[in-house]
Amino acid sequence: DQQVKQNSPSLSVQEGRISILNCDYTNSMFDYFLWYKKYPAEGPTFLISISSIKDKNEDGRFTVFLNKSAKHLSLHIVPSQPGDSAVYFCAAMTGTASKLTFGTGTRLQVTL
Amino acid sequence: GAVVSQHPSRVICKSGTSVKIECRSLDFQATTMFWYRQFPKQSLMLMATSNEGSKATYEQGVEKDKFLINHASLTLSTLTVTSAHPEDSSFYICSAPGLVGVYEQYFGPGTRLTVT
Repeated sequence: DQQVKQNSPSLSVQEGRISILNCDYTNSMFDYFLWYKKYPAEGPTFLISISSIKDKNEDGRFTVFLNKSAKHLSLHIVPSQPGDSAVYFCAAMTGTASKLTFGTGTRLQVTL
Repeated sequence: GAVVSQHPSRVICKSGTSVKIECRSLDFQATTMFWYRQFPKQSLMLMATSNEGSKATYEQGVEKDKFLINHASLTLSTLTVTSAHPEDSSFYICSAPGLVGVYEQYFGPGTRLTVT
């Protein structure tokens, strides 16, 4: 039962353009969502998060949008840079200090 | 930000032996830590929740007698893979929640276990 899904396993974007990574969830009890960036053989690195009471959170080049009614969130990266190439995971949790449920990941490749 | 370390970063062991992986929170205390496992090209799957001073909580399908977890102190949790088999070969990652009331979790760099 995959409660958090990322339907695009890979995405290729040209440098300077916008990258949009999508994530869908099924559990309406999730109240906090996070995006992580991960390189092979390394732990995930936190990027940005959003509470379920908000619909947008922005931090530099990264913006996360949340559509609660659709149970959908997205991560926008603009402008995309080659260093952004990695696997991106969305994750969801219920309450503070609780376990994370991860999506399946999207491999982003930013080309020159 | 908060730092979580893991040791070793990479380990190769023979089938039937046991391997211990350490997870430390370096600049904060963690009463709870989480252990995840990632198979190649797959998502991170939660294995268990490590609780300081009490027994770990295991996710469905994870054998508690095979994956022993000990949360010895507020900064250290250990995962011991007992009687390892080749199918236990995976990338093991721990995480710890940040400050009380904060949602962010901090991940260790992971441990690559290869069982031959």
